[in-house]
Amino acid sequence: AQSVTQPDIHITVSEGASLELRCNYSYGATPYLFWYVQSPGQGLQLLLKYFSGDTLVQGIKGFEAEFKRSQSSFNLRKPSVHWSDAAEYFCAVGAGDTGRRALTFGSGTRLQVQP
Amino acid sequence: ETGVTQTPRHLVMGMTNKKSLKCEQHLGHNAMYWYKQSAKKPLELMFVYSLEERVENNSVPSRFSPECPNSSHLFLHLHTLQPEDSALYLCASSQGPAGGTDTQYFGPGTRLTVL
Repeated sequence: AQSVTQPDIHITVSEGASLELRCNYSYGATPYLFWYVQSPGQGLQLLLKYFSGDTLVQGIKGFEAEFKRSQSSFNLRKPSVHWSDAAEYFCAVGAGDTGRRALTFGSGTRLQVQP
Repeated sequence: ETGVTQTPRHLVMGMTNKKSLKCEQHLGHNAMYWYKQSAKKPLELMFVYSLEERVENNSVPSRFSPECPNSSHLFLHLHTLQPEDSALYLCASSQGPAGGTDTQYFGPGTRLTVL
């Protein structure tokens, strides 16, 4: 069965600093990978997704993520964080061939941005 | 209205009450999902509907009863809930039919408190 690990429960960065949120997945075949963001009191918004092709994917709000098969990772990055990026970030993996019909989510990383 | 909407946004109920959560998607999608989001736990998939048929029931107690009258609407009927059922209930939809590769679009959620 697939699984997702987000090792960092809580991260604090200064505004303008770079950001990297870690995500490791476990899945036997080529995974379908997603990053979602959840602001307080809101639902989840898709930031970006990886299905195939170029391993560096660009998303909304200046985010990007890189798929590294050898490390089973799909880390999310942003070169310069803005105060409005404070939220909770979820990595998710989807199975393309097992018939499982929904995503498996990590536990999330809460991002705090200091002025 | 655009995207995925959920009503009510907040709900407080006693353990003997019966209530329903409503989800509506305006995206022309074919699959709809219910997730439960509890504090400090990953999102838990509850139910999946594809083309109005339930295709996955993730070992959810019978006090939760889903209904999908058409591809745009999804309900979650609640009765004799327990305090541990207090959580944020998220609805999502995808182009479908449901699959682990589909991009899911989430509603804002219903914050449920069971007294």
